[in-house]
Amino acid sequence: DIQMTQSPSSLSASVGDRVTITCRASQGISNYLAWFQQKPGKAPKSLIYAASSLQSGVPSKFSGSGSGTDFTLTISSLQPEDFATYYCQQYKSYPLTFGGGTKVEIK
Amino acid sequence: QVQLVESGGDVVQPGRSLRLSCAASGFTFSNNAMHWVRQAPGKGLEWVAVISYDGSNKYYADSVKGRFTVSRDNSKNTLYLQMNSLRPEDTAVYYCARDRGRITAAGLDYWGQGSLVTVSS
Repeated sequence: DIQMTQSPSSLSASVGDRVTITCRASQGISNYLAWFQQKPGKAPKSLIYAASSLQSGVPSKFSGSGSGTDFTLTISSLQPEDFATYYCQQYKSYPLTFGGGTKVEIK
Repeated sequence: QVQLVESGGDVVQPGRSLRLSCAASGFTFSNNAMHWVRQAPGKGLEWVAVISYDGSNKYYADSVKGRFTVSRDNSKNTLYLQMNSLRPEDTAVYYCARDRGRITAAGLDYWGQGSLVTVSS
């Protein structure tokens, strides 16, 4: 199975900050990488697929990059509605696997 | 708009069975593979199973293989998860999610609101 490791597991940031979350795969997954946002008590929401493609309706302050084993999710200017937990997921092969999550909290 | 609505979650005793349903609308259900993903209380996301657009291909997480069965009825736009021999560690919110692709995974794009399954004596 492909292991996905996210870092950090949590971070504190202020409104307006630029935030970067990293995700590392245990083996190369090309660009078969997605990012999701989840708020408490809600279902996950798709942000990014194919490592850097923005899901329809998602604001352009979210961006993704990377290929192979190392990936990043960047939020260009953090807003109050962005405080949530973010997950990466590989879909190169089954079983699909998720990172452990990064909780973004208000500083 | 795409809508996925899960139902069937309940409190069940260990060893018992339960079937979850996911009613789809707003898209041509028979065009997409569908997944089940779960989240134990306070924990991260765990992929459970996938079924191809026509039901001919299925894959499962090792943790549920042999106990859970995914199926679909394209005439009813509904996805199912039959869960047998339930264990306390199966306690979770179960989400259905649509895949962008038909057979091989192309990324999950839409998710239901989830259905809570509690396994406890």
